Amino acid sequence: GEDVEQSLFLSVREGDSSVINCTYTDSSSTYLYWYKQEPGAGLQLLTYIFSNMDMKQDQRLTVLLNKKDKHLSLRIADTQTGDSAIYFCAESILSWAGSYQLTFGKGTKLSVIP
Amino acid sequence: GAGVSQTPSNKVTEKGKYVELRCDPISGHTALYWYRQSLGQGPEFLIYFQGTGAADDSGLPNDRFFAVRPEGSVSTLKIQRTERGDSAVYLCASSPAGNTEAFFGQGTRLTVV
Repeated sequence: GEDVEQSLFLSVREGDSSVINCTYTDSSSTYLYWYKQEPGAGLQLLTYIFSNMDMKQDQRLTVLLNKKDKHLSLRIADTQTGDSAIYFCAESILSWAGSYQLTFGKGTKLSVIP
Repeated sequence: GAGVSQTPSNKVTEKGKYVELRCDPISGHTALYWYRQSLGQGPEFLIYFQGTGAADDSGLPNDRFFAVRPEGSVSTLKIQRTERGDSAVYLCASSPAGNTEAFFGQGTRLTVV
């Protein structure tokens, strides 16, 4: 079955880079995602990467994918206090029903120290 | 509306009662998903609609849970004989047909006392 794992906590100083790591088990994943969740809020899609890519950059965000090791990372450059939130890694597989069902990790709580 | 809307935002109910949670997806999005997020966990898939039909309900935990989408737009998640273990945030997401980006609502926090 599918399983997505992340470390639970990360603490960084404002202005430093943050790197959040994730491992997944299903090699048939089509897309891998990073979502951000602030307290009391829903999930905000930050970025995603197709499984045949190894890197994607979007402003301060860099996603790296190592498909051989089933390892995904999210790097946030110049981390700001507003980046404090829980970050979820998720994989999607095209199901028999035609849905891109997401399997999420438990989330990494990022704390940014001013 | 601009995004996925879920009502109510909070719901407190007594054990054994029936509840309905509503999701209003982004206009034109044919795919609709329900997820459940328990405290300290990531969201878990419950059910997927393509149009009016429930194409995949494999994530529903038992037959107390049911969802409908009669006109292919608004969806209602129904929980009968609620139990304390049903307490969680219920998230709805929608996406255009064939699109892999799912847009989530703010969720309904259900508390069963």
